[in-house]
Amino acid sequence: GENVEQHPSTLSVQEGDSAVIKCTYSDSASNYFPWYKQELGKRPQLIIDIRSNVGEKKDQRIAVTLNKTAKHFSLHITETQPEDSAVYFCAASISPWGGPGGYNKLIFGAGTRLAVHP
Amino acid sequence: DADVTQTPRNRITKTGKRIMLECSQTKGHDRMYWYRQDPGLGLRLIYYSFDVKDINKGEISDGYSVSRQAQAKFSLSLESAIPNQTALYFCATSDFSRSNEQFFGPGTRLTVL
Repeated sequence: GENVEQHPSTLSVQEGDSAVIKCTYSDSASNYFPWYKQELGKRPQLIIDIRSNVGEKKDQRIAVTLNKTAKHFSLHITETQPEDSAVYFCAASISPWGGPGGYNKLIFGAGTRLAVHP
Repeated sequence: DADVTQTPRNRITKTGKRIMLECSQTKGHDRMYWYRQDPGLGLRLIYYSFDVKDINKGEISDGYSVSRQAQAKFSLSLESAIPNQTALYFCATSDFSRSNEQFFGPGTRLTVL
């Protein structure tokens, strides 16, 4: 079955620096890759996702890149702020129809604890 | 606002006891999921249901069972709780027809002594 590895497990940066979190997946059939953010004591929430038909997606200060050949994808956060401090989870899944709602289930990475210091 | 709720939010129980965690949603979503979260292990899927008549095992279903009583309700049971089931449990929902985004409940912290 699918396996997702996430690195690093912890990341500490200064405010204003960039942060990069990397994930690799094992099943080449995976075609949907979301990222979830979990603030301390809160529930995970989707922040950005990417499908296998694109190589990069941006939303303000966050971006995700996908390398299908190498089977890895990364989250990039620029101009980090203290409120970016949280645990970030990557995930992978297979969408039989390649579109909304078609996928079966998400397999999550182990998470990265990001600390942004003022 | 439409939401996903879980009861109880915290529960302490003893080894061998039967425990039920409940999840309700007012989002009108058809798909529901149960995850457990352990430090350093991320979110692992226990069971998932795509509609009332559909139940599927996830990565770590041993020791757990579920019931989808209605489209809006999905319960997780531990028939005989053991200490290594101590974890944070999340319910989640998604809408088949709209997007792949999963919406999580607030979580239930379960401690098995």
